[in-house]
Amino acid sequence: AQSVTQLDSHVSVSEGTPVLLRCNYSSSYSPSLFWYVQHPNKGLQLLLKYTSAATLVKGINGFEAEFKKSETSFHLTKPSAHMSDAAEYFCVVSDEGGGSQGNLIFGKGTKLSVKP
Amino acid sequence: DSGVTQTPKHLITATGQRVTLRCSPRSGDLSVYWYQQSLDQGLQFLIQYYNGEERAKGNILERFSAQQFPDLHSELNLSSLELGDSALYFCASSVVGGFGSPLHFGNGTRLTVT
Repeated sequence: AQSVTQLDSHVSVSEGTPVLLRCNYSSSYSPSLFWYVQHPNKGLQLLLKYTSAATLVKGINGFEAEFKKSETSFHLTKPSAHMSDAAEYFCVVSDEGGGSQGNLIFGKGTKLSVKP
Repeated sequence: DSGVTQTPKHLITATGQRVTLRCSPRSGDLSVYWYQQSLDQGLQFLIQYYNGEERAKGNILERFSAQQFPDLHSELNLSSLELGDSALYFCASSVVGGFGSPLHFGNGTRLTVT
């Protein structure tokens, strides 16, 4: 069965420093993986998507993620944090079975704080 | 703007009441999903419809029901409301609703049950 684990519930960085949000997944096949961002009182917005093309995926707002099959990881990074990046980030794996989770399995989220 | 429209934005009601949440998917999207987000449970998948038919069911209570209409908009009906039903309810849509399809989320309806 597919699952996704976000290793940190809360990450705090200073503005201008790198961001690393960690995600591990388990899947019995080649998964599709996503990162979503949720700003306060807003819906989730798709940041980027991996679907077995390039292992390094570039998303919006300067974020990127690298798919590492050997480590079953899909960590999200950004070279330099902005105040506007403060939000909650969700790592998501696509569920081929589409069963009780629908088509997507969401991690529990990582709240990113950015200090001035 | 995701193109997914949810109404109303806020809803305050009393225990035991019934409410209806409405969702219009992005133009061209055939699949609609409903999620519940609360502080203690996180993001919970409720139900998915594809082109009017129920496709997948998650942690949806028997007091809750949903449908997707021929024009593809969807409604989530919540009845016999309890305090614990207070949450953000999100609708999302996708083109096909299958493996690998990203979802586009609305801004949610915040339900407060008093």
